Amino acid sequence: SAVISQKPSRDICQRGTSLTIQCQVDSQVTMMFWYRQQPGQSLTLIATANQGSEATYESGFVIDKFPISRPNLTFSTLTVSNMSPEDSSIYLCSVEGTGSNEKLFFGSGTQLSVL
Amino acid sequence: DAKTTQPPSMDCAEGRAANLPCNHSTISGNEYVYWYRQIHSQGPQYIIHGLKNNETNEMASLIITEDRKSSTLILPHATLRDTAVYYCIALLFNDYKLSFGAGTTVTVRA
Repeated sequence: SAVISQKPSRDICQRGTSLTIQCQVDSQVTMMFWYRQQPGQSLTLIATANQGSEATYESGFVIDKFPISRPNLTFSTLTVSNMSPEDSSIYLCSVEGTGSNEKLFFGSGTQLSVL
Repeated sequence: DAKTTQPPSMDCAEGRAANLPCNHSTISGNEYVYWYRQIHSQGPQYIIHGLKNNETNEMASLIITEDRKSSTLILPHATLRDTAVYYCIALLFNDYKLSFGAGTTVTVRA
């Protein structure tokens, strides 16, 4: 399986600021996905970030709030902009599995708390 | 993707088999059943998947009914480290967008 390094692992931020989360993969992957997990909730897909194209956002998520970069096949960033306490969540980067079984492989996520 | 329904929670004794049910009555003929689990504060982990035949790997077994409207994930000898939220997901093979429902919170007790 791929090794995903996500930074920061956790952060506490002030309302109105922005945070950029980095996702580094140890192998080249075409598809990367960003998920959000609000406290006590299941995971929700934010967007799909494929290299060479604009990110595709799911319903309820917009580029102005969650801009995404995908400069190459091993790296992506997600920015949470103009944060409010409602943005307090775990943000997870995931990539397509490298084997024939594992559909998606997930990193351990970024725990974000907004005060 | 077909909707899946799972019980919200279940307890299991350590060392015993844990049988986790999942209903997917609207699953289409080419949708696979995938199982993931999420241990607290970690990213989801792939367990197993299947189309219509029963499957077994080093982690678990997957039993899919003949009509494919339901399935059961079996953890043969549950340990305390199997305490997690287990997600059952129906997905086309060429689709990578996993939709996570509420899952089943499994608590393994000593």
